[in-house]
Amino acid sequence: GEDVEQSLFLSVREGDSSVINCTYTDSSSTYLYWYKQEPGAGLQLLTYIFSNMDMKQDQRLTVLLNKKDKHLSLRIADTQTGDSAIYFCAESFRDDKIIFGKGTRLHILP
Amino acid sequence: NAGVTQTPKFQVLKTGQSMTLQCAQDMNHEYMSWYRQDPGMGLRLIHYSVGAGITDQGEVPNGYNVSRSTTEDFPLRLLSAAPSQTSVYFCASSRTGKETQYFGPGTRLLVL
Repeated sequence: GEDVEQSLFLSVREGDSSVINCTYTDSSSTYLYWYKQEPGAGLQLLTYIFSNMDMKQDQRLTVLLNKKDKHLSLRIADTQTGDSAIYFCAESFRDDKIIFGKGTRLHILP
Repeated sequence: NAGVTQTPKFQVLKTGQSMTLQCAQDMNHEYMSWYRQDPGMGLRLIHYSVGAGITDQGEVPNGYNVSRSTTEDFPLRLLSAAPSQTSVYFCASSRTGKETQYFGPGTRLLVL
């Protein structure tokens, strides 16, 4: 089946690194995404990775992809209060459907 | 360039009423989709379209109809609203189904 799993909640101290994990089911997925949703707003794309890549880095964000385990992670370095949001993992399928996980709420501790 | 627009922002319906949620994009995107967001359930795909005249079902299509007569518009119809359809509805578009999706601001629907 088509399913994307994420833990629902993560709490991190300001300045530490946040690591948000995601597992997916379809080994034929071509793109995997991370979206961010701030309170009361729609979703915004943070970053994405092609399925033939292992890692992608973009400033404070690092995406790691383990295709064998169908595991995707998002690392946010030097987490700031502005990073407080819900983070969604998503995967695209061959028929162009994009399925989202339930989202991980990132809470920043002072 | 307005991006993805949705109307209305907020709507209250009684059980059994019908309504259409509007979605429009001005980016000439082929791919458009509708999601609903419920607490603890994340985003669930309702219907999507890969181009004008083509629609397909997502994860939770029951109770919703869509049509795609133009590239720009992708309305979502509730024929007979039910309390279980109380949710926040997001429309999204992208150049293709594989590329970055741009989300609208959402429509908050309450069905009494």
